Amino acid sequence: DSGVTQTPKHLITATGQRVTLRCSPRSGDLSVYWYQQSLDQGLQFLIQYYNGEERAKGNILERFSAQQFPDLHSELNLSSLELGDSALYFCASSVTVIAGVGELFFGEGSRLTVL
Amino acid sequence: SQKIEQNSEALNIQEGKTATLTCNYTNYSPAYLQWYRQDPGRGPVFLLLIRENEKEKRKERLKVTFDTTLKQSLFHITASQPADSATYLCALPDSGGYQKVTFGTGTKLQVIP
Repeated sequence: DSGVTQTPKHLITATGQRVTLRCSPRSGDLSVYWYQQSLDQGLQFLIQYYNGEERAKGNILERFSAQQFPDLHSELNLSSLELGDSALYFCASSVTVIAGVGELFFGEGSRLTVL
Repeated sequence: SQKIEQNSEALNIQEGKTATLTCNYTNYSPAYLQWYRQDPGRGPVFLLLIRENEKEKRKERLKVTFDTTLKQSLFHITASQPADSATYLCALPDSGGYQKVTFGTGTKLQVIP
């Protein structure tokens, strides 16, 4: 158990809909990262927050948005969903804002299926 | 941004043998490189971090090397076991300040009993 909690574990929805994925980082970790992993694809970095502030952005679509709340949990909002958005969405946390110098602790992911 | 190449073909080895996985990167050479293990449908799990001046790092049956001249890291599992079967990912911080970590697509290892 990494200590990172993601909900929901599975989500099935229709095209055009909007969903919210939630992540609670490990106790004490201030950084939260969101990654997308499509079938047979690598982990694609979406966005990073540190102590409530956005710190790094990857190839995140404009239809997607995220935020980190004062209690450090984070939410990833996906709107106007398309079939291609079906993927595993992972949240990870770390103590430091500098991901590359320390390990990332990943949650078990939220599997999104868009029909 | 960093481009990472890992052998996309699965690696099948016999139990007890040493598995060697390769990670090649282009562009700049980072000061750190990480290896993770990912089981199907699960989140990646951190295994090792190696710094550019360490050249080699060991943890139990795992060994990682880091050659900044070749822009390559090798990941070895000695005395491999069926439980080692998984996908192994290498990850490097982005040149933009280390906040962003880029992952390779991973190599799937299958250890045959």
